[in-house]
Amino acid sequence: SQQGEEDPQALSIQEGENATMNCSYKTSINNLQWYRQNSGRGLVHLILIRSNEREKHSGRLRVTLDTSKKSSSLLITASRAADTASYFCATQGAQKLVFGQGTRLTINP
Amino acid sequence: GAVVSQHPSRVICKSGTSVKIECRSLDFQATTMFWYRQFPKQSLMLMATSNEGSKATYEQGVEKDKFLINHASLTLSTLTVTSAHPEDSSFYICSARGPVRADTQYFGPGTRLTVL
Repeated sequence: SQQGEEDPQALSIQEGENATMNCSYKTSINNLQWYRQNSGRGLVHLILIRSNEREKHSGRLRVTLDTSKKSSSLLITASRAADTASYFCATQGAQKLVFGQGTRLTINP
Repeated sequence: GAVVSQHPSRVICKSGTSVKIECRSLDFQATTMFWYRQFPKQSLMLMATSNEGSKATYEQGVEKDKFLINHASLTLSTLTVTSAHPEDSSFYICSARGPVRADTQYFGPGTRLTVL
């Protein structure tokens, strides 16, 4: 069963604005990962945050993890048209990587 | 970074035929490979996990006799969709994990299967 639930399901913003996506999960995890998927394409790994980390940055991406609330957020700053894609969180347990439902992000020029 | 390839990228077949999809790790040894299925506008659902040289472990609800998985070497896993039907049309994605970084999976580009 899917473990991650993402919010919102769809997000449409203007270029230059920041985009925030949230992910909640149900059980304990080793790490949480965020991926991007352009329409009809494969996955691109964005960032991995371990269960003992609270925040991580990579370029314009900022990920937070709150294990007490079992939630994570992905912030994309200064969005660009090329950021238009679906974004998935995925939780890594002992063996499996389980994906959330995803957020469909549209950046309007 | 590590590269995983899939072949073919797209395949169209007639209902009732079997289709084989290959997943290769190009520059590392994949001790574990995973197969996912993704329907349009939906998330990835794990179908099965395969370890080199042993039988695949299938997720609940996935028919092992319909989706045959072979992980015969450390760089190759195959998924065969047997007696394919239109409802099997989907995007199939594999991923591979090496022995060193157990928390990292490397994803292939996916295979679009259309069953007529």
